[in-house]
Formats: sequence, structure tokens, C-alpha cells
Amino acid sequence: DQQVKQNSPSLSVQEGRISILNCDYTNSMFDYFLWYKKYPAEGPTFLISISSIKDKNEDGRFTVFLNKSAKHLSLHIVPSQPGDSAVYFCAAGVSGTYKYIFGTGTRLKVLA
Amino acid sequence: EAQVTQNPRYLITVTGKKLTVTCSQNMNHEYMSWYRQDPGLGLRQIYYSMNVEVTDKGDVPEGYKVSRKEKRNFPLILESPSPNQTSLYFCASMGQRYEQYFGPGTRLTVT
Repeated sequence: DQQVKQNSPSLSVQEGRISILNCDYTNSMFDYFLWYKKYPAEGPTFLISISSIKDKNEDGRFTVFLNKSAKHLSLHIVPSQPGDSAVYFCAAGVSGTYKYIFGTGTRLKVLA
Repeated sequence: EAQVTQNPRYLITVTGKKLTVTCSQNMNHEYMSWYRQDPGLGLRQIYYSMNVEVTDKGDVPEGYKVSRKEKRNFPLILESPSPNQTSLYFCASMGQRYEQYFGPGTRLTVT
């Protein structure tokens, strides 16, 4: 039973265009969501987060949108750059419990 | 430099031979965690620790042990490794915004 799903294993986008990575969750108790980026041979690095009291959080080129009724979040990268090519994981959890469930990841390739 | 370190980075061992993967963080974080990454399964939490001497099971704790005797260190122990524990392992510590800082990973092969 996968509580956090990233249904697209891979995504290719042209440099300069928008990348949209999607994540769905099933547990309505989740109230904190995070995105991580992972390069080969490195550990994941934190990108951006959002709590359930918001529906949008922005940090530079990265914006995360949360649709609680649909149990869906998305990460927008604008404009996409070749250095953004990596695997992106979404994670969800209940604040204060310290248990976070990760999705299976989406491999983004930004074409120059 | 703020970081999480893991050792070894690569390990090949045989079934049943006890091993320990060390993890250390220099950010004074209270929370630390271990994950394994397998193809098609993403990152799955093995164990976590909310503070010294406080540990709890994650989603896939079978076959693993941990200890937290001091804040900076959180070793992962495999008492009797089996081939199904062949995986990529990550240690992480958590900052104040619930963001986790991951180590570089340990690739373990059990034959």
C-alpha cells in the first residue's frame, strides 16, 4: 500500500521551459510535504516544503502547489536548466511524528 | 561545513557476517534516521531516533538494529545480513523545518 505515489518515473523537458513533477498521497493525516532532489552517487538534498495550511510555496525557480481536496502536490521548476536533471522525490508526513513516507521518484531530464 | 557522513561508502560482505554502518552529523540535530533505497520502491525508513537513547521502528526494521548513545552518531547494525538486505542506505538528520539532510549513501552487497 503506497501512501505516496509519483506516477511518472521519468520526464523530459527542454531547457527554459517549465517542468512539472506530480505527487499523490492517500493519507489525509499528512500535513507536511517536502521535495528532494537526488544526483547520482549523492544523497538526496532538500529543495522545498509546504505545510497543509498553505496551498503554495515559492523559492526562486521552484514552486510547490498543494491541493488538499485532491490529495495532490506538484513541483514547478521555471525555467528549467540542464543542472536540474536529477531524480526528484516527494515526501509526506504528519508534523511532530518524525515519520516521513517517500514516493518512488521521478527522473527529470532537461535537454539543452 | 554542515554535513552528514557515512562509512563505509561501499561494502561487499557475505551472508551472516555482522556489520555496522556508521553515521555522524555535525549540526547538533536531535532527530536522525536510516533509509534504504531500492529500485521502484523509493526511500523506505528503517529506524529513526528522536534523541539520545530514543529510537523507534520505521517501515522496514526487520533485520536491522540501531543505537543512539550520543547525539551526533547513529550507527546501523546488521547482525546477520542476508542477500535481501543488498541495497543503498542513507542516513539523515532533521533540521528545524522538518527538512532532512542526507549522507552520501552506503552501497551494500550481501552475497
